[in-house]
Amino acid sequence: GAGVSQSPRYKVAKRGQDVALRCDPISGHVSLFWYQQALGQGPEFLTYFQNEAQLDKSGLPSDRFFAERPEGSVSTLKIQRTQQEDSAVYLCASSPAFSGYGYTFGSGTRLTVV
Amino acid sequence: ELKVEQNPLFLSMQEGKNYTIYCNYSTTSDRLYWYRQDPGKSLESLFVLLSNGAVKQEGRLMASLDTKARLSTLHITAAVHDLSATYFCAVDTGTVNDMRFGAGTRLTVKP
Repeated sequence: GAGVSQSPRYKVAKRGQDVALRCDPISGHVSLFWYQQALGQGPEFLTYFQNEAQLDKSGLPSDRFFAERPEGSVSTLKIQRTQQEDSAVYLCASSPAFSGYGYTFGSGTRLTVV
Repeated sequence: ELKVEQNPLFLSMQEGKNYTIYCNYSTTSDRLYWYRQDPGKSLESLFVLLSNGAVKQEGRLMASLDTKARLSTLHITAAVHDLSATYFCAVDTGTVNDMRFGAGTRLTVKP
């Protein structure tokens, strides 16, 4: 597609519920990143994929967070047993390569845990 | 750990005025990015600066990079209301988990 597509745009989850956030990157982009952006803050790195390989997941805040990109295109970020502190905008970005190109960001998924 | 500091965090300026946003970072890098974010929207890439002394301009915005000083600037010339947004710098050290964003500068341009 022409841009990075994320769904859903908005998600309200009850505390303890599992959620799955989807990212469809630009076709052919090797690198895919997930970021978490709290209100009024800059994006914080969560995890990085190069094709289907998850090369870094050091930013995932707990073992309740899990990401996958099984065929090297679409990626899913899953959060189990959501907590209120998980409320944020989750941004996906893709890039032709790891570094030096800047990223194209999706519109994000705003997650609210109640 | 790489730290990225922007200042000011909030900027209110009159239309037609000039101003500069600063981005300081703590470790060696020769890759720096500027993004714009409108309320409720995602980040839009403005500039990619890949070497010391790089200068790029687009309309009323000009970005520069001084890797020796570990400083990038985003200069706004003759501001207009449409420039109101939050501007983020991001620094890339070449290591995948070392891409760091500043906290952002929320710019409001008043008539």
